Amino acid sequence: GQQLNQSPQSMFIQEGEDVSMNCTSSSIFNTWLWYKQDPGEGPVLLIALYKAGELTSNGRLTAQFGITRKDSFLNISASIPSDVGIYFCAGHKSGGSNYKLTFGKGTLLTVNP
Amino acid sequence: DGGITQSPKYLFRKEGQNVTLSCEQNLNHDAMYWYRQDPGQGLRLIYYSQIVNDFQKGDIAEGYSVSREKKESFPLTVTSAQKNPTAFYLCASSIGQGGQPQHFGDGTRLSIL
Repeated sequence: GQQLNQSPQSMFIQEGEDVSMNCTSSSIFNTWLWYKQDPGEGPVLLIALYKAGELTSNGRLTAQFGITRKDSFLNISASIPSDVGIYFCAGHKSGGSNYKLTFGKGTLLTVNP
Repeated sequence: DGGITQSPKYLFRKEGQNVTLSCEQNLNHDAMYWYRQDPGQGLRLIYYSQIVNDFQKGDIAEGYSVSREKKESFPLTVTSAQKNPTAFYLCASSIGQGGQPQHFGDGTRLSIL
């Protein structure tokens, strides 16, 4: 199945820094989702986006649904050690099955205290 | 608490053996999914079910089988035909309408003895 292009693959930052990551696709998406996965656990939904241009926040996290509907961005402000984990983007592709999600390969975030 | 329960957390398979992974949800979700996660490859869809007594193959269904006899339960059998079964298996569910986010269990790690 198609994968989304998620970047960067990994990030190593200092506590307190801001973080940005993004996902891009050659196809149009109707929904963008951002998940966080801790080691040995399942992904947890952080933010869901349903409209082009939509900007949604969840605490220190902010995500945007790109205007072209082919990309999405996740920002984390003032990072803390518990932000460590793998962040995945996912989406429902326009014209495809609404039950099937396409996933990025993840961004591994490490925060140095 | 509502959620998705996967069991066991760890499972070992002998060569030639079938093993079954359990997934139960009490979220009253119509749709359920099974994913396989390998390092650096993101999540790949094995099977999904939109409704009781119905299921469809995902992108990597060979060597796996499922059943959906109850709304709450979607067990996955890893058969002896799956030659590389070592992976982290994730079950998810969503509200029946398309485009809704999927919610994940905490996974089962399957290894070969």
